Amino acid sequence: QLQLQESGPGLVKSSETLSLTCSVSGGPISSSSYYWGWIRQPPGKGLEWIGSIYYNGDTYYNPSLKSRVTTSIDTSKNQFSLKLSSVTAADTAVYYCARHVAYLDYVDHWGQGTLVTVSS
Amino acid sequence: QSVLTQPPSVSAAPGQKVTISCSGSSSNIGNKCVSWYQQLPGTVPKLLIYDNNKRPSGIPDRFSGSKSGTSATLGITGLQTGDEADYYCETWDSSLSAVVFGGGTKLTVL
Repeated sequence: QLQLQESGPGLVKSSETLSLTCSVSGGPISSSSYYWGWIRQPPGKGLEWIGSIYYNGDTYYNPSLKSRVTTSIDTSKNQFSLKLSSVTAADTAVYYCARHVAYLDYVDHWGQGTLVTVSS
Repeated sequence: QSVLTQPPSVSAAPGQKVTISCSGSSSNIGNKCVSWYQQLPGTVPKLLIYDNNKRPSGIPDRFSGSKSGTSATLGITGLQTGDEADYYCETWDSSLSAVVFGGGTKLTVL
């Protein structure tokens, strides 16, 4: 079955860049049927979509984060990545990688999530 | 402030029925399908409803979804204590070119 696993530092200093990678197993990331995305959840708060990427590199980003977000995809490694620059304490959250069905429709698979804390 | 508006909390007794609303606009719910997610305490969100009213394999028919105009509704019948969770609606907003989530609704089964 499909599995997604986030990896990356759990602690990032304020003003620096948060970098996470999602490793996908059980299916090819190069499928044309899915988008691959990042969603975050600050402690005790709701879900916020960050951005998503297609196998060919097409991207969509949350307008409120667009200036700080970069995503990339490596089909040879079956991985995709997130970079969020100039982080502040407000970026402290559990970060999930996820698979969207079709054209950014519903999310049918989620990673386990990784807590990233921004420290001053 | 979320683009999709959900009540912060709802509650009902075991065995009863509850509905959770999700209000949007013509740029999101009005012309796109809605999905719903259940997040049990301390766990990863799980897909509950997609394409407004379809249930993934393994989701009991106690859970149902509907959409009318610019609003969507999640219904849960035969409430169980194990249904206590946060529920989120989600769709695509064509004006923002963005995936949008509701603020979430905490269900308490009294």
